[in-house]
Amino acid sequence: DGGITQSPKYLFRKEGQNVTLSCEQNLNHDAMYWYRQDPGQGLRLIYYSQIVNDFQKGDIAEGYSVSREKKESFPLTVTSAQKNPTAFYLCASSRDSYYGYTFGSGTRLTVV
Amino acid sequence: EDQVTQSPEALRLQEGESSSLNCSYTVSGLRGLFWYRQDPGKGPEFLFTLYSAGEEKEKERLKATLTKKESFLHITAPKPEDSATYLCAVRVEYALNFGKGTSLLVTP
Repeated sequence: DGGITQSPKYLFRKEGQNVTLSCEQNLNHDAMYWYRQDPGQGLRLIYYSQIVNDFQKGDIAEGYSVSREKKESFPLTVTSAQKNPTAFYLCASSRDSYYGYTFGSGTRLTVV
Repeated sequence: EDQVTQSPEALRLQEGESSSLNCSYTVSGLRGLFWYRQDPGKGPEFLFTLYSAGEEKEKERLKATLTKKESFLHITAPKPEDSATYLCAVRVEYALNFGKGTSLLVTP
């Protein structure tokens, strides 16, 4: 079945560490997105990519980095510069920017 | 600035008690309004896309409508399994801008 796979489901980060969240899709979608979800805040856009080897900052990109070397993959790195990384992270993809998204099941990141 | 506001923040219904959720938006030139359902700890699940005022879409007990300034998600005779957070989003440039959601609880 086609879909988006996010891993791991739960991730714990120590202060000062970088961590990478995985997002893989087999839907043959061109566009991919990363959102952050906090209680009471809704979904906020971190980064998006419309095509391989190209990506753009969203509303809250500071402290995050991404790469898009393959159409299927869009990993997100949460760097030590992100001061409040504890959140639920959602990856999504779409055929192009005109269509709605298919979401992954999310990664819950906690700083310990 | 483009904005999406959902109301109420939370809604509690008895099973069978119909109601509506509201999504008001301020965007210059709507290019799509989307409704999603999200269960706790999971990713949002797509429900509907609406593109023009007057458009309506239905799925089981859910019906989405669109005017020039807002969208409604009508829930007819809800069941406990309809309990979830319902998210509204509008397309801005190359991504979706989401509201904060309405948390719906349907009790037996």
